[in-house]
Parts: sequence; C-alpha cells; structure tokens
Amino acid sequence: EILMTQSPATLSLSPGERATLSCRASQSIITNLAWYQQKPGQAPRLLIYDASTRATGIPARFSGGGSGTEFAFTISSLQSEDFAVYYCQQYKTGITFGQGTRLEIK
Amino acid sequence: QVQLQESGPGLVKPSETLSLTCTVSGGSISSYYWGWIRQPPGKGLECIGYIYLSARTIYNPSLKSRVIISVDTSKNQFSLNMRSVTAADTAVYYCARLGTNYFLDDWGQGTLVTVSS
Repeated sequence: EILMTQSPATLSLSPGERATLSCRASQSIITNLAWYQQKPGQAPRLLIYDASTRATGIPARFSGGGSGTEFAFTISSLQSEDFAVYYCQQYKTGITFGQGTRLEIK
Repeated sequence: QVQLQESGPGLVKPSETLSLTCTVSGGSISSYYWGWIRQPPGKGLECIGYIYLSARTIYNPSLKSRVIISVDTSKNQFSLNMRSVTAADTAVYYCARLGTNYFLDDWGQGTLVTVSS
C-alpha cells in the first residue's frame, strides 16, 4: 500500500497570506495525485488532479505541483472560505489518502 | 455533473451487515468507476473500494474480506455490503464517482452509520 504523509498537521495563517501544504508518497506516484478541500459537515470537494490540473470551477488562487514522491499545494492569497481541512490522495496504485492538513485562521 | 445520494440504515448492530445504496442521477452508471469512501468521526478518509459495472472491483486490502460492492444498472445504483461490523466501522460513508484516472470528482453528501447495540 502506498502511504501518503501530509505536513504540517495544522497551519495557522491570516486572510490574504499564502498557504503551502506538502504531501509525500512512500513510493513514486508520478503525478497521480489529487487534492481535496473538506469543510465541517460537508463532503470533500475535488480541487486539483493529476498533481497540477485545477478541477472545473476551482479558482486560480489554488495550485498544485510536484511529481514522484513530493508534492505541494498552494493557496496564493487566503480567503475566509478557504479555511478548512485539505487532503491529498494518490491513485497510482489503488486509492489512499493523506491524514489531512487543517488550515485555520490565525 | 452527476448527483449521488446515499441511503441505508443509520444504526447497525455489532456483528451484523452494513448495507448502503448510492443512487446516481444526471448520468449513466454504465460509464466511469464508482466508489465508497468512509470517514470515522473526527478522522481522515479511507477508500473502501470501487467498481466498474460488474466487470472489475477493487477493494481496500484491509477490508476486502468483509466487503462486497455491486452495481444495478437498471436502477442506476451501486451498493456496499460490509459484514461482521464492529464499533470501529462507525463512520460517515460517502459514495463517489471516479474520474478518468481514479480521482474522485463527484461525491454524495454522506451518511452516518453508527455500529452499536
């Protein structure tokens, strides 16, 4: 099973700041990686797939990059609605998720 | 964009079988893979498994011995059966559509299943 490790567990920032989240795979997943946003009481929402492609309707302030085992997800300027939990997911072999990064208001 | 809706009992007794159905609207279930994901209260996401028609099914190795996922194309539904449940199976269960490369691009709202006597 491919293990996904996200860091940090919690990130405290202010609106307008830049957020960078990391995700590491236990073996190469090429670019078979997605990022999701989850707000309390809601289902996850797909933001990024294939490591760097924004899903339909996702604002340009969200971006992703990386390949192999190291990936990054960036929100260029935080809006109030962006404070949530973010998960990475690999789909190179089966499907596994990272444990999540909680993005909270500082 | 398709809509997905989970249905099934919210309470299941230990050692019994958890059964959920996902109804797909706005698109045919005969295309794409369809999957089940769960999330224990306050914890992260776990993929249970996914299916393409009845031709191919992939299960999480840790759950494979207890899980069956099936499709009913006549009703545009797919289902999850998980036997011998314990309190550790208490979670919000989501159904979802898998995109071209197995990312999850549409989700149901989720349904909480509690395992308790």
